[in-house]
Amino acid sequence: NAGVMQNPRHLVRRRGQEARLRCSPMKGHSHVYWYRQLPEEGLKFMVYLQKENIIDESGMPKERFSAEFPKEGPSILRIQQVVRGDSAAYFCASSPSGVMNTEAFFGQGTRLTVV
Amino acid sequence: TQLLEQSPQFLSIQEGENLTVYCNSSSVFSSLQWYRQEPGEGPVLLVTVVTGGEVKKLKRLTFQFGDARKDSSLHITAAQPGDTGLYLCAGNRNQGGKLIFGQGTELSVKP
Repeated sequence: NAGVMQNPRHLVRRRGQEARLRCSPMKGHSHVYWYRQLPEEGLKFMVYLQKENIIDESGMPKERFSAEFPKEGPSILRIQQVVRGDSAAYFCASSPSGVMNTEAFFGQGTRLTVV
Repeated sequence: TQLLEQSPQFLSIQEGENLTVYCNSSSVFSSLQWYRQEPGEGPVLLVTVVTGGEVKKLKRLTFQFGDARKDSSLHITAAQPGDTGLYLCAGNRNQGGKLIFGQGTELSVKP
């Protein structure tokens, strides 16, 4: 019974390159959430997706960041033209539904370092 | 502006001591979750509280949700070095599984 799987665990990119972070939700979960965690800070919500739909992207930076959750395959968080300030841990969580108070379970994260 | 204020931010205690972590807000949450995160890992769900005034116990951990559903506390009895980690509270405001996190409490329990 695999949990939320994120890959890669660690990603190093040079400034200006693209970063693609992948998240496979728990089996049976159709709702995915992306969060970013900066050093010594709590997690900040970025985007909430259901299969093929973006439900809430209020936490996403307006430029360079995009997310998708296709009908088949993992959810992808894409960061174009990365800058040093994008260095952070990016966590994905999934839930079985979007009903009130549904519990979300987190993956181990992708640690992005921009050099 | 931090919607969920968590305190203290850092806590260093000796094994066997008791401690309480607080999570406060001026907003009402439909539920509140507590997570524990170890270095290099993702947050692990400890408990979800839903009803105002609710108290849940998990071995030596006691979680309480305020009557007005605006605040919560985590109390650890007789802390052990294995309790060391980052404790995060997170509130849900009727938006599926979308969570608003507090800043976290870094707990260190020394033997």
